[in-house]
Amino acid sequence: DQQVKQNSPSLSVQEGRISILNCDYTNSMFDYFLWYKKYPAEGPTFLISISSIKDKNEDGRFTVFLNKSAKHLSLHIVPSQPGDSAVYFCAGAISAGNMLTFGGGTRLMVKP
Amino acid sequence: ETGVTQSPTHLIKTRGQQVTLRCSSQSGHNTVSWYQQALGQGPQFIFQYYREEENGRGNFPPRFSGLQFPNYSSELNVNALELDDSALYLCASSPQTSGQETQYFGPGTRLLVL
Repeated sequence: DQQVKQNSPSLSVQEGRISILNCDYTNSMFDYFLWYKKYPAEGPTFLISISSIKDKNEDGRFTVFLNKSAKHLSLHIVPSQPGDSAVYFCAGAISAGNMLTFGGGTRLMVKP
Repeated sequence: ETGVTQSPTHLIKTRGQQVTLRCSSQSGHNTVSWYQQALGQGPQFIFQYYREEENGRGNFPPRFSGLQFPNYSSELNVNALELDDSALYLCASSPQTSGQETQYFGPGTRLLVL
């Protein structure tokens, strides 16, 4: 029973273009969503989060959009940079301090 | 730099053995969570400790147990190791257990069970 799904295992984007990473969830109890970035041999690094009372949150080059009716969220990276190449995980939580339920991840490759 | 450290970085054990993994949380973070990340998958929640007591548990058997200490350190113990326990084990700390508090992860311990 996968409550959080990232259907694209990989994404390749040209430097300077927009990267869009998608995530779908099934648990209606989630009220908080987070995106983490993971480099090899490192733990996940927090990127950006959004509360279910919002539909958009922006932080520099990163914007997260939440569509609660579709149970869908997306992460937009503009402009994409080669250093953004990593595995991106979305996660849902009933509250952020409690259990995080992660998707399977999307590997982003930004080509120079 | 999250301030969360884990030891050891790598570990090889044999099926049936027991293992203890350690985590040092960021100062002031009284909540620690442990996750298991199998190859090619996202992290899966094992359990969470708040003020030295278990505060929630995922779908893991009782042979997975933990401890949290007053000095912001914690342990994950796994008994009777199985081949499927081979994974990256991550700990994450946060300032408190309620509210919109982000969890910050350590670099993980990679466990291989032969």
